[in-house]
Amino acid sequence: QLVLTQSPSASASLGASVKLTCTLSSGHSNYAIAWHQKQPEQGPRYLMKLNSDGSLFKGDGIPDRFSGSSSGAERYLTISNLQSEDEADYYCQTWGTGILFGGGTKLTVL
Amino acid sequence: EVQLVESGGVLVQPGGSLRLSCAGSGFSFTDYAMHWVRQAPGKGLEWVSGINWKSDIIVYADSVKGRFTISRDNAKNSLYLQMSSLRAEDTAFYYCAKDTANYFYYMDVWGKGTTVTVSS
Repeated sequence: QLVLTQSPSASASLGASVKLTCTLSSGHSNYAIAWHQKQPEQGPRYLMKLNSDGSLFKGDGIPDRFSGSSSGAERYLTISNLQSEDEADYYCQTWGTGILFGGGTKLTVL
Repeated sequence: EVQLVESGGVLVQPGGSLRLSCAGSGFSFTDYAMHWVRQAPGKGLEWVSGINWKSDIIVYADSVKGRFTISRDNAKNSLYLQMSSLRAEDTAFYYCAKDTANYFYYMDVWGKGTTVTVSS
């Protein structure tokens, strides 16, 4: 069964870097995913599509501070030089018969 | 500017019905699959339903199957979600989202959402 697993929370200091993880379930390590950002009181925002080989396709206007990488069944979102506006929920998403989201990671910027 | 604008969210009683609409602009609406995604209070994003460009491939989440109907009118650049037999657990922000292809892959444009509250 296709499942995306994310840690519920993460935190890092202003100006630091943070790496969020999305883990694909067994047997699905070759799947691509997309990362989306959800800030309070706003609609979600597409950040990037991330392939199993680490190649990625970012959305329009997404700062260079946002990057992605892959290793096996893990898909990562790295945010460098954290800003206060990066405090948000981050969701990974993939597709099979339909669309599937991970549970989301709430990022706190200290 | 590529834009999606949802409308139709209201307070409705349990067992009631409601139709949400989503107007797309700034892109060729006909070329892409479209989705409805919701977020209940304090919960994560939940995909509700998707429809391909021709409306011949439609998929629903198990939680809404048999109660919700997705449709689109390409001539009007519009997406719809007919919701019936509404339950308290359907209370959520509902977002319209554009796919990157004519089938289900991933969303690259989102609306701001419309809120549905199911309560007596």
